[in-house]
Amino acid sequence: DTGVSQDPRHKITKRGQNVTFRCDPISEHNRLYWYRQTLGQGPEFLTYFQNEAQLEKSRLLSDRFSAERPKGSFSTLEIQRTEQGDSAMYLCASSLPSGTSGRVGVYNEQFFGPGTRLTVL
Amino acid sequence: GQQLNQSPQSMFIQEGEDVSMNCTSSSIFNTWLWYKQDPGEGPVLLIALYKAGELTSNGRLTAQFGITRKDSFLNISASIPSDVGIYFCAGLTLNAGNNRKLIWGLGTSLAVNP
Repeated sequence: DTGVSQDPRHKITKRGQNVTFRCDPISEHNRLYWYRQTLGQGPEFLTYFQNEAQLEKSRLLSDRFSAERPKGSFSTLEIQRTEQGDSAMYLCASSLPSGTSGRVGVYNEQFFGPGTRLTVL
Repeated sequence: GQQLNQSPQSMFIQEGEDVSMNCTSSSIFNTWLWYKQDPGEGPVLLIALYKAGELTSNGRLTAQFGITRKDSFLNISASIPSDVGIYFCAGLTLNAGNNRKLIWGLGTSLAVNP
């Protein structure tokens, strides 16, 4: 399977604990995105990387959240001192950079992983 | 965060019926996207629209990019049970850093009765 993979698929933790999620993008994709999705909502952008550089972070990404992509391949998202409000599906996506298709303005599709569902008790 | 207005919120239809859903925004987008999300999975791109007025089909799916660039609709013809899922519209925008960002609707949940 050469799609985006995420691990773990499910995580149950107690409030105050730290959790770390991993995302493995499609191998030739140098852009990687993290989103959070709660029930009845669309995905909300958290952050994205181009290669190992973290180019943008949403205001949703509080100080308790940190994301890394040290070698420009897989990425980790860590949540420290989890709160019940952190319970959500955390989605990772990867894409080629804009313009790669050769057509100006063409959207380079973000391919999503299956997500990690976090439940904070 | 900014989100699109998507309607209806949910639909329950009989197999074989046609379905229509739409998205509106107060902002102009240069690209409209329609995704489908199955339970426990990430969204999958169905159709991408790049020009105002563009009408694009993908099998039984048809989507249009509104002339004002502030709206889009998705039609599904002759629905089948595997069409069940949540359909999201998304608009692609450029932020202040000239980076593209997806703005998402709240989704339309579709149930199909065989």
